Amino acid sequence: DTGVSQNPRHKITKRGQNVTFRCDPISEHNRLYWYRQTLGQGPEFLTYFQNEAQLEKSRLLSDRFSAERPKGSFSTLEIQRTEQGDSAMYLCASSFTPGTGNTGELFFGEGSRLTVL
Amino acid sequence: AQTVTQSQPEMSVQEAETVTLSCTYDTSESDYYLFWYKQPPSRQMILVIRQEAYKQQNATENRFSVNFQKAAKSFSLKISDSQLGDAAMYFCAYRSATSGTYKYIFGTGTRLKVLA
Repeated sequence: DTGVSQNPRHKITKRGQNVTFRCDPISEHNRLYWYRQTLGQGPEFLTYFQNEAQLEKSRLLSDRFSAERPKGSFSTLEIQRTEQGDSAMYLCASSFTPGTGNTGELFFGEGSRLTVL
Repeated sequence: AQTVTQSQPEMSVQEAETVTLSCTYDTSESDYYLFWYKQPPSRQMILVIRQEAYKQQNATENRFSVNFQKAAKSFSLKISDSQLGDAAMYFCAYRSATSGTYKYIFGTGTRLKVLA
């Protein structure tokens, strides 16, 4: 396993179209996170999963955003009716569940860059 | 709600010199973790160093060390013997250990330039 993989790496779309990003975490990790990062800003939390359960979702996330992790392995993030303000880097990260001797540090993918025209 | 503040948008350091990046945070919790992540240009973010709030001893990883001041809610990163490969964005991050939420809260980052 070489790490967290995200696809596609770049996506250019027209306003109003739907886009979907995929994240393949490190296989032993049961937690998976989605973050959004715009230029000059730090990663902004979107949502995270424990196995297949979506445990928390940002209140900043509109209902145009949806994420799934159907079998507790890979995850998809879909953005419907894209807007120019959705242009950003979408980061996926995975981790073990925090516990004894394990702080649950995040391992990030390289991100999927979305440009909405 | 917890917040993380990095007040230095950009820092420069001469190769082989030492630089300190600042981070402050706000929380009412007593048990949490703090992290520094490095994001090189066009590459993924990687963990540099972590600190458990219950530990008084400052964490150290080779040339990287932190100055953790719990009462002041300050968590600075010191990079010694800076190398060209240290040039990157550095993000400070907070995660609760007790509230039942395991989301990481990141600061806005500090861009570090290393001058040859």
